[in-house]
Amino acid sequence: QTVVTQEPSLTVSPGGTVTLTCASSTGAVISGCLPNWFQQKPGQSPRALIYRTNNKHPWTPARFSGSLLGGKAALTLSGVQPDDEAEYYCLLFCGFIWAFGGGTKLTVL
Amino acid sequence: QVQLVQSGAEMKKPGASVKVSCRASGYTFTDYNLHWVRQAPGQGLEWMGILERSGAETKYAQNFRDRLTMTSDTSTTTVYMELRNLRSDDTAFYFCLREYPGGDHDYWGQGTLVTVSS
Repeated sequence: QTVVTQEPSLTVSPGGTVTLTCASSTGAVISGCLPNWFQQKPGQSPRALIYRTNNKHPWTPARFSGSLLGGKAALTLSGVQPDDEAEYYCLLFCGFIWAFGGGTKLTVL
Repeated sequence: QVQLVQSGAEMKKPGASVKVSCRASGYTFTDYNLHWVRQAPGQGLEWMGILERSGAETKYAQNFRDRLTMTSDTSTTTVYMELRNLRSDDTAFYFCLREYPGGDHDYWGQGTLVTVSS
């Protein structure tokens, strides 16, 4: 069973830059793991942000970007806004089965 | 526009079964995969399984393999998730999630709360 690991929490100042990462117990995350990133605010369904490592949906703000970094999938927020305070989840297909990370609670302070 | 509309909240006793529906509209139903994902109160997202091409094939997470069945009805463009032998720790919001095959996940249903309590 694949275990996907994210930072439990991160804090960033408004206007700053922060990178969230997503690691797989199967080894290095590669493009074939098809990384997806989602944002969830309290009381809402998750919202898709990034698919297949670095592709944005039409509704994804330009300040969000995806990449592979040091064997992990990464989500970078540049010019963070207070509205970006939320839980962020990655989803990977490493090991031929889908698995979510535990989520990163991003605080904007 | 793409919509995934789920059935309403359910309350079940331990040992019972629940069947949650997700009606899709605004796109070609059989071109997409549909996933089921759950979220226990205050917890993270948990992947449960996938119906590929909205019913051609199913794959389930190991945790659910003996209790979970996903089906679809192409005539009504609806997918179903049935979870059997419910336990109190199955209390959660259950979501459907659309994927264009190849890892492009985009739209979510609004979620269905299933409460398991005696």
